[in-house]
Amino acid sequence: KAGVTQTPRYLIKTRGQQVTLSCSPISGHRSVSWYQQTPGQGLQFLFEYFSETQRNKGNFPGRFSGRQFSNSRSEMNVSTLELGDSALYLCASSLVVLGSFMNTEAFFGQGTRLTVV
Amino acid sequence: GESVGLHLPTLSVQEGDNSIINCAYSNSASDYFIWYKQESGKGPQFIIDIRSNMDKRQGQRVTVLLNKTVKHLSLQIAATQPGDSAVYFCAENISGGGADGLTFGKGTHLIIQP
Repeated sequence: KAGVTQTPRYLIKTRGQQVTLSCSPISGHRSVSWYQQTPGQGLQFLFEYFSETQRNKGNFPGRFSGRQFSNSRSEMNVSTLELGDSALYLCASSLVVLGSFMNTEAFFGQGTRLTVV
Repeated sequence: GESVGLHLPTLSVQEGDNSIINCAYSNSASDYFIWYKQESGKGPQFIIDIRSNMDKRQGQRVTVLLNKTVKHLSLQIAATQPGDSAVYFCAENISGGGADGLTFGKGTHLIIQP
């Protein structure tokens, strides 16, 4: 079956602009989590969506937001881009919410490489 | 600071040898752990997971060991191959805790010497 698909793969934006990234989870998976990966901070949790509801949120400013659609596809948006937002943004899909009593594997997409200039 | 960390940023091993990658975690409430492998230009790839009610779990050429007493996790790769070159991350989660996703360590870069 198809894996996690993220689009676009690469993106270059200017400071102050906004950006929207997309993630299509594995078929049947209802949870989508987003992570930011940078050389300095490593992989950091942004937020998780399940059944169109945000379930958990990491320690990121309000400029970072997301949503999930009824087909489980998810988007994340970053407004007023800053140079420090340059990173690889990864999305992970899982059957259920991470941190639920039913542990589940989380599968990652290839990521979107965002460069802010 | 990091809830989950790794002891070495880089590990170099000879092809055919066994590799051991270590990870220390600080949150005693964590009860689910995953090892991921990330190759250059790709997203993290699930390798193996383990729950806190287990001490050891084996997969194909990989073994994960969990020592809850000292909060230590390790990944053993048998007969290391060139394709094993990657950055390896451990990640933790807390069941039922509504935890904030997976908490990752900074990663160990495994280099395979021919």
